[in-house]
Amino acid sequence: GAGVSQSPSNKVTEKGKDVELRCDPISGHTALYWYRQSLGQGLEFLIYFQGNSAPDKSGLPSDRFSAERTGGSVSTLTIQRTQQEDSAVYLCASSLARTGSEKLFFGSGTQLSVL
Amino acid sequence: GQQLNQSPQSMFIQEGEDVSMNCTSSSIFNTWLWYKQDPGEGPVLLIALYKAGELTSNGRLTAQFGITRKDSFLNISASIPSDVGIYFCAGQNDYKLSFGAGTTVTVRA
Repeated sequence: GAGVSQSPSNKVTEKGKDVELRCDPISGHTALYWYRQSLGQGLEFLIYFQGNSAPDKSGLPSDRFSAERTGGSVSTLTIQRTQQEDSAVYLCASSLARTGSEKLFFGSGTQLSVL
Repeated sequence: GQQLNQSPQSMFIQEGEDVSMNCTSSSIFNTWLWYKQDPGEGPVLLIALYKAGELTSNGRLTAQFGITRKDSFLNISASIPSDVGIYFCAGQNDYKLSFGAGTTVTVRA
């Protein structure tokens, strides 16, 4: 498709289980971001990938969170041993390059509910 | 992360009214951005501001980049029902964006 695609759109899991969230960025976009949006809150930066550079992981809230980007395209955000406070919408965004003024295109997000 | 204070948190507006929302920060940003998020969707960029003092319009939307580079406002003129949604401000330095908590807009027909 033409836009950023995220899957699944909704995920319900039990506390303690691991989850994987997937993001397909727009073709040709070298920059990819993960954000977390909790109810009534702004978007919280999690991690940033740019080409082959080392990712900026400074926003990951704990070592239970990790992300990878294979082949410079698809990215997977993994949350291990999920907790109820992990419940949120996880948004992925991509852009052309890291010039500091590139437009970010967001996916529709994955709504994660941890019971 | 850097904290952006966005206000108001929510507003009910009458169709046809002009509305305004703003964002302030303790930090300087090189770029200010305004996004709109509809239910079940990701945010969509409305306006980008790149220079202190810049005033930019996009249809019924007008936004300004504060001279101190620590604030921005967004105005919506002659509001219509499809203006319903959550509006976010964002400050950007290099590749990192810091977002405000959002302004939820509900329009009374």
